[in-house]
Amino acid sequence: NAGVTQTPKFQVLKTGQSMTLQCAQDMNHEYMSWYRQDPGMGLRLIHYSVGAGITDQGEVPNGYNVSRSTTEDFPLRLLSAAPSQTSVYFCVRGVRAILRGQYFGPGTRLTVT
Amino acid sequence: AQKVTQAQTEISVVEKEDVTLDCVYETRDTTYYLFWYKQPPSGELVFLIRRNSFDEQNEISGRYSWNFQKSTSSFNFTITASQVVDSAVYFCALSENFGNEKLTFGTGTRLTIIP
Repeated sequence: NAGVTQTPKFQVLKTGQSMTLQCAQDMNHEYMSWYRQDPGMGLRLIHYSVGAGITDQGEVPNGYNVSRSTTEDFPLRLLSAAPSQTSVYFCVRGVRAILRGQYFGPGTRLTVT
Repeated sequence: AQKVTQAQTEISVVEKEDVTLDCVYETRDTTYYLFWYKQPPSGELVFLIRRNSFDEQNEISGRYSWNFQKSTSSFNFTITASQVVDSAVYFCALSENFGNEKLTFGTGTRLTIIP
């Protein structure tokens, strides 16, 4: 699992519900991020963090919140789920880009009805 | 803004044929990093390679090779003697600047190897 654990693997939500996608890494890497993957659109960055207490927005942050209270955990919160948030979500850990690639978790498939 | 284009949406080749996946990128920065990832049918993303903009040497790893050409802003990926296990979606990605870990992905190329 590339040192990244994501839970749950699958989730179905109703429009308007909230939930948290969990992500944990065991490599003590400073960098973590969330991407969503949609057909024909590749992967797009939602939020990222370069260390505990530091987060920033990516390309598609609307409707999502993150926090980074520890190095290990980087949960993604959907505040009020919408059908447009139906996607596969990947959590990523890594060191600085210059050193090596980033490592993706197994993904969470979310369906919003 | 940075952009990655993978014009080949789907490619099918017969097993043992060679195949090249194209990747063209756009960036204003002189320092940047290029990546290839593989996504097999199981869905996980597997890191294959990272290159920085100062290193234009081609790289070979077994049956895989990568051709980086700054003059044409391309970072193409060739699989030699393809195998059924190579069937996957392949993504090219770009990150700008040292320490900027944000990746911009292409839309991917679905490669099918026909036995």
